[in-house]
Amino acid sequence: AQTVTQSQPEMSVQEAETVTLSCTYDTSESDYYLFWYKQPPSRQMILVIRQEAYKQQNATENRFSVNFQKAAKSFSLKISDSQLGDAAMYFCAYSSTQGGSEKLVFGKGTKLTVNP
Amino acid sequence: DVKVTQSSRYLVKRTGEKVFLECVQDMDHENMFWYRQDPGLGLRLIYFSYDVKMKEKGDIPEGYSVSREKKERFSLILESASTNQTSMYLCASGDRMKTTNEKLFFGSGTQLSVL
Repeated sequence: AQTVTQSQPEMSVQEAETVTLSCTYDTSESDYYLFWYKQPPSRQMILVIRQEAYKQQNATENRFSVNFQKAAKSFSLKISDSQLGDAAMYFCAYSSTQGGSEKLVFGKGTKLTVNP
Repeated sequence: DVKVTQSSRYLVKRTGEKVFLECVQDMDHENMFWYRQDPGLGLRLIYFSYDVKMKEKGDIPEGYSVSREKKERFSLILESASTNQTSMYLCASGDRMKTTNEKLFFGSGTQLSVL
């Protein structure tokens, strides 16, 4: 079974600074998807960024980028120019390409605080 | 935009009560999911469904059942609620044939307290 580990329960960053959230995973599959989801106090889960394992290029979405190291099974999220609105719980998640369902396996989450 | 609606944002029930959590999606998605979210434990999959009347157990199905009589509706049932089922419950839907980025769409969650 696949597992996802987020080793940082809490992180903090100063506004306008850069922060990196860590995620490692375990799988025997060669093709899969990895995600970062954000959950603000509203509780709405928001997809931040997605990476396909067969793509070597790291995904980027505006101020958000990932460092995907397939051999090390590592998938960290970098947030540049942090804003107050980035404060939230961040979840790393894994999805297999096998089967017809995009069932997600989540890590335990990292609570990000942004200090003004 | 896809909408996943959970019927209650907050719910308080008594131990032993039968509890229904309802979830409706409006994008004709094949797949629907129920997750439980607890502090320090992340989101854990309870049950999912890939078609009407079809269901599969997730990682923590004990104490729960589900019903999917119509494609758009997926219900989570606590047959006899217990205090250890106090949690936040998140519903999600998705469809690999209809979405291009494997994205799951989530409801806003139901915070259930069992007293």
